[in-house]
Amino acid sequence: TQLLEQSPQFLSIQEGENLTVYCNSSSVFSSLQWYRQEPGEGPVLLVTVVTGGEVKKLKRLTFQFGDARKDSSLHITAAQPGDTGLYLCAGGSQGNLIFGKGTKLSVKP
Amino acid sequence: NAGVTQTPKFRVLKTGQSMTLLCAQDMNHEYMYWYRQDPGMGLRLIHYSVGEGTTAKGEVPDGYNVSRLKKQNFLLGLESAAPSQTSVYFCASRTQWTSLTPGELFFGEGSRLTVL
Repeated sequence: TQLLEQSPQFLSIQEGENLTVYCNSSSVFSSLQWYRQEPGEGPVLLVTVVTGGEVKKLKRLTFQFGDARKDSSLHITAAQPGDTGLYLCAGGSQGNLIFGKGTKLSVKP
Repeated sequence: NAGVTQTPKFRVLKTGQSMTLLCAQDMNHEYMYWYRQDPGMGLRLIHYSVGEGTTAKGEVPDGYNVSRLKKQNFLLGLESAAPSQTSVYFCASRTQWTSLTPGELFFGEGSRLTVL
């Protein structure tokens, strides 16, 4: 059974700080995705990584896929209140897609 | 631009009652999914479908049934609701999956179900 473990579970920081959240597994994934979910809404895709060692940047967000394709990280530079939300990593095979439990980020002004 | 639409958005059931959640997508997607989200548990996959007429079990399928009679619709049924099924249910869809192009998952707004 494939499992995705995310850490930390909760993170509360001040505006302007940097942070990193992690997504780890003992299984190899052909790809991993990161989603962000705001209260009362469904998750929205941020990025997909498919190549081991791949780094993708989305404005102040930097995503990395581990060389062995078992883990991924999300780094946010100079966090802003608008970054507040639940960050979920997701991966799978043969069409199904499982999610980690998420990291709940709160950025205070 | 409807995307993925879930009905109903809220429902309260008594233990033992049955109900069906409807998911409709207008993007001609092959793959559709039902997840449940509970506090601290993230999203857990209940059932999914890789095309019209197909269904498969996910992580937590017990107590649920699904049907995909039409490509645009994916129904989730609870035959005898239990308090443990109190949750927020999300439907999602995406284009055909490959290992190198997994595609974006589009979610509905969720259906909040309470079982008393």
